[in-house]
Amino acid sequence: DVQMTQSPYNLAASPGESVSINCKASKSISKYLAWYQQKPGKANKLLIYDGSTLQSGIPSRFSGSGSGTDFTLTIRSLEPEDFGLYYCQQHNEYPPTFGAGTKLELK
Amino acid sequence: QVRLKESGPRLVQPSQTLSVTCTVSGFSVTSYHVSWVRQPPGKGLEWVGAIWKGGSTDYNSALKSRLSISRDTSKNQVFLKMNSLQTDDTGTYYCAKHSRELVYYFDYWGQGVMVTVSS
Repeated sequence: DVQMTQSPYNLAASPGESVSINCKASKSISKYLAWYQQKPGKANKLLIYDGSTLQSGIPSRFSGSGSGTDFTLTIRSLEPEDFGLYYCQQHNEYPPTFGAGTKLELK
Repeated sequence: QVRLKESGPRLVQPSQTLSVTCTVSGFSVTSYHVSWVRQPPGKGLEWVGAIWKGGSTDYNSALKSRLSISRDTSKNQVFLKMNSLQTDDTGTYYCAKHSRELVYYFDYWGQGVMVTVSS
C-alpha cells in the first residue's frame, strides 16, 4: 500500500494569513491526490482532487499543487471557518490511503 | 441534494459483530460506488471497503476476513458487517460516495457513527 506522510502535524495561524500543508507519498502517485477538510459534527469535505482540481463550491483561496510524490495544499487569506483538520489521500491506486492529518489551529 | 447517513449501535462487545447501515439520498447506489472509511479516536482515516455500483465488492486486505459489505437497492442502503470485533476496531465509521466511476476519491461523506468496542 502507498504510505502517505503529512506535515506538519499541527499548524497555528491567524485569520488573513496563508498556510501550506505538505503530503508525501511513498511512491509516485502521478497527480492523483485529494485533500479533505474535517470538522467536528460535519461531514468531511472534498476540497481538491487530481492534485490541483478544485471541487465545485470550494473557495478559490484553496489550491493544490504537486505531482509524483510531493504535494502541497495552500490556503490563502485564512477565514475563521478554515480551522480544522486536513487530510490528504492518494487515489492513484487501490487501496486508497490517507495521511495522518494536519490540525490547523487558531493562533 | 446528496446525503449519506450512517446508523448503527454505539457500543459493541468484543468478539461480537458490528452492523452499520448507510442510507443515501440524492443518488442511487446502482449509479455510484460507495465506500466505508473508519477513523480510530484521534487518528487518521482508513479505507475499509467498497461496493461498486454493479454490486461487486472490494475490501481492505487487512480486514477482509472479517468484513462483508452489501446493499439493498430498493431502499438505497449500503450495509457494513464486521465480525470478531476487538477494541482497536473502536472508531467512527463513515460511508462515502465515490465521485465517479474508476476513481477512489469521495465527494460526499456521511457524518459517521461512533462505535465503541468494549465489554
